[in-house]
Amino acid sequence: GENVEQHPSTLSVQEGDSAVIKCTYSDSASNYFPWYKQELGKGPQLIIDIRSNVGEKKDQRIAVTLNKTAKHFSLHITETQPEDSAVYFCAAIGNTPLVFGKGTRLSVIA
Amino acid sequence: GAGVSQSPSNKVTEKGKDVELRCDPISGHTALYWYRQSLGQGLEFLIYFQGNSAPDKSGLPSDRFSAERTGGSVSTLTIQRTQQEDSAVYLCASSLGWKVSGNTIYFGEGSWLTVV
Repeated sequence: GENVEQHPSTLSVQEGDSAVIKCTYSDSASNYFPWYKQELGKGPQLIIDIRSNVGEKKDQRIAVTLNKTAKHFSLHITETQPEDSAVYFCAAIGNTPLVFGKGTRLSVIA
Repeated sequence: GAGVSQSPSNKVTEKGKDVELRCDPISGHTALYWYRQSLGQGLEFLIYFQGNSAPDKSGLPSDRFSAERTGGSVSTLTIQRTQQEDSAVYLCASSLGWKVSGNTIYFGEGSWLTVV
């Protein structure tokens, strides 16, 4: 089945700096890669997603890149703000239901 | 409804009791998923439904766990003879359909279960 690895597990950045979270997946049949943000006490919220026919997608300060050959995808957050502090999960779906990475706890220091 | 609705939002139960957790998916979503998240941990897949059928039950941790979905809508996750290790947040999600184009998956806020 699919296996998703996510790094780093924790990340601290200064406000205004960029943050990058990386994930790898194992199943070459996976074709949809969402990213979720989870704030304390809440359910995961979709922030951006990318499909396998696209290499990059951007939405304001967040962007996701996908390298199908290498089977890895990354989340980029620019101009980080304190409200970006949360746990971020990457995920992959193909022949198995959505499989998540173990999460990255992002702290943005004002 | 506007989003995935879960109830109860919080449940404290005594060890050995049975609990039922309810999920009301987004209207029109045929796929429904249950995940478990232990404190500070990632999301563990439990089971998913396509319509009323559950093609993949491999994630259920033990035979004390079961789930059903009727009418292609509401689903209940039942945990029998609860144990302390069952304490976690149980998250439900739904999507238009698994492997359907536009397959965005939306989560509810979760049911926080504490077994004492």
